[in-house]
This record gives sequence, structure tokens and C-alpha cells, in this order.
Amino acid sequence: GIQVEQSPPDLILQEGANSTLRCNFSDSVNNLQWFHQNPWGQLINLFYIPSGTKQNGRLSATTVATERYSLLYISSSQTTDSGVYFCAVWNQGGKLIFGQGTELSVKP
Amino acid sequence: DSGVTQTPKHLITATGQRVTLRCSPRSGDLSVYWYQQSLDQGLQFLIQYYNGEERAKGNILERFSAQQFPDLHSELNLSSLELGDSALYFCASSVARLAGINEQFFGPGTRLTVL
Repeated sequence: GIQVEQSPPDLILQEGANSTLRCNFSDSVNNLQWFHQNPWGQLINLFYIPSGTKQNGRLSATTVATERYSLLYISSSQTTDSGVYFCAVWNQGGKLIFGQGTELSVKP
Repeated sequence: DSGVTQTPKHLITATGQRVTLRCSPRSGDLSVYWYQQSLDQGLQFLIQYYNGEERAKGNILERFSAQQFPDLHSELNLSSLELGDSALYFCASSVARLAGINEQFFGPGTRLTVL
């Protein structure tokens, strides 16, 4: 089945720093979503991004489907950005497959 | 708030028991999905229902079953519980029949602890 790999697995930032999280997938996908799981366990939708670039405040994402990767950019990070960031893709069978996540810790 | 509701938030039970988790999708969404998040397996798709019918199955154990009712709410039944079933169970919903067409929105989850 399709493989989803996220890097880096862990990231520690000082407040105000920028970061880039990467998601690679092994096969053609119908679509891709980025999520933030906060320290309370909630999964929050960040982007629904099959291709191209989207921006929402300090966050933006780019998916290059032909090259099978997506990037999530976080600028001017805040302590509230801490948590785990997941990339998830749909395979041809319509199932959402999650990567293992990037655990981000933003220090004040 | 995603608009997807799940009850209960927390559930503590003993091995061998049976529990039922409940999910109400966003208004207008016809598809409901169940996921399990455990420390060793990560986030895994279990099963999808669309308008009352099962549409896709993932890594769902035979001891687990689900259904979607006419009012579109869904229940996930877990029986003969084992310690390894302790996990966070999420429900998600989307508008379309095929998961690849529309964005999935996740509920707050039910944290199951089996003692």
C-alpha cells in the first residue's frame, strides 16, 4: 500500500523561528490534508491541498503531486503551535493514510 | 469546533467487556469514518460508512463492528476488549461518498482505557 513519510520526526524551535515540515508519499494520491494535533489530542484541519499552494495566516502549504511531496511552512512560530503535525493522503481505494507525524515543540 | 461530535470523551473499562462509541457527523455530511490512534500503530483507518452503508474497511478487528443509522449518526462497538485496545478513537465526516473528493473533519475523539 501507499507509504507516507514525514520529516523531521521531531523539531524544537524558539518562539519566532520559522520551520518547514515535509511529507513524501510513495504513489499517486487523490488528495492530501495537513492536520495539527494539539496537546489535548484534538485533530485540527490545517489544509486540504491536492496541489498548488495555500496560505492561512502564518501557515502555508505546497503540494507537488507529480513529485509526490507536500511541504508545510510555519512562520514566526508561537508556543501554541506545539503539538504533532500530520500529513494524510487518500489512496486510489479512498482510504485516508496518515504519516507518523512531526512533533513540534516551540519554546518561549 | 469541527462540527463532529463524539461521546463519551473518556471511557475506562476492564478486559473482556464491550463498549459503544458514538459519533454525530457535521450537518449535511453523509460519510462517517472511524480511526484508531495508538502509540505503536499511529493513526489507522478502521471503517467508512456512507448514508447507512459500509463503503470501505481498513484494519478493523473482527471483535469490532460499526453501523450508521438513518439519522446518519454512527456507533463503533468494541467487544472482548483487550489491553491493546486502549487508544484514542476518532470519528470523521465528509460530504461525499468517495473520501478522496472532500475534506474530512475530525471529532474530538474518545479515549478508551482498558484495565
